[in-house]
Amino acid sequence: DAGVIQSPRHEVTEMGQEVTLRCKPISGHDYLFWYRQTMMRGLELLIYFNNNVPIDDSGMPEDRFSAKMPNASFSTLKIQPSEPRDSAVYFCASSRGAGNEKLFFGSGTQLSVL
Amino acid sequence: KQEVTQIPAALSVPEGENLVLNCSFTDSAIYNLQWFRQDPGKGLTSLLLIQSSQREQTSGRLNASLDKSSGRSTLYIAASQPGDSATYLCAVISAGNMLTFGGGTRLMVKP
Repeated sequence: DAGVIQSPRHEVTEMGQEVTLRCKPISGHDYLFWYRQTMMRGLELLIYFNNNVPIDDSGMPEDRFSAKMPNASFSTLKIQPSEPRDSAVYFCASSRGAGNEKLFFGSGTQLSVL
Repeated sequence: KQEVTQIPAALSVPEGENLVLNCSFTDSAIYNLQWFRQDPGKGLTSLLLIQSSQREQTSGRLNASLDKSSGRSTLYIAASQPGDSATYLCAVISAGNMLTFGGGTRLMVKP
């Protein structure tokens, strides 16, 4: 398996623009997580899905952020409109189950909002 | 709310040394604890997973221990190598399947 695949690897955009980040989890994994990593705040859980259903989105910073998982092999994280403080590395991760299963991370998307 | 702390934030050691990285968490009601490695510009790689009922896990030169009652875990790296240089993060899963990460320890192993 190719692992968790994220695209794009880098995204540079201007304030106010819409940004869409994409993730393909490992086949057979029931859980998908979106994390954000910054120097100041470390790794923060934004939202996670179980069997394509959003379970907890309490980490989503505000209404500008939205996430979807239309099927078991694809998820998106959208920011509209983007702001400079959204600049961070966004990671997608998946696991076979919850609680006692290892988490597998993608390589991340480095987002810069100018 | 679960809080995870890692000490030290950074560590530099000569090659060959045995070293210990520390992780503490505030809520002992965890399901498991994982140690991850992160290389610059890369994602996280899971190294070891310790179930809440376990005391330790070993993988090669790595040994992770868990003392749930005191809210502590340690990652022991034997005979460190320059290739071990990376940031090491611990994370705990608590109620609601929330994985909470520590801030990480940035390790540099000098040849």
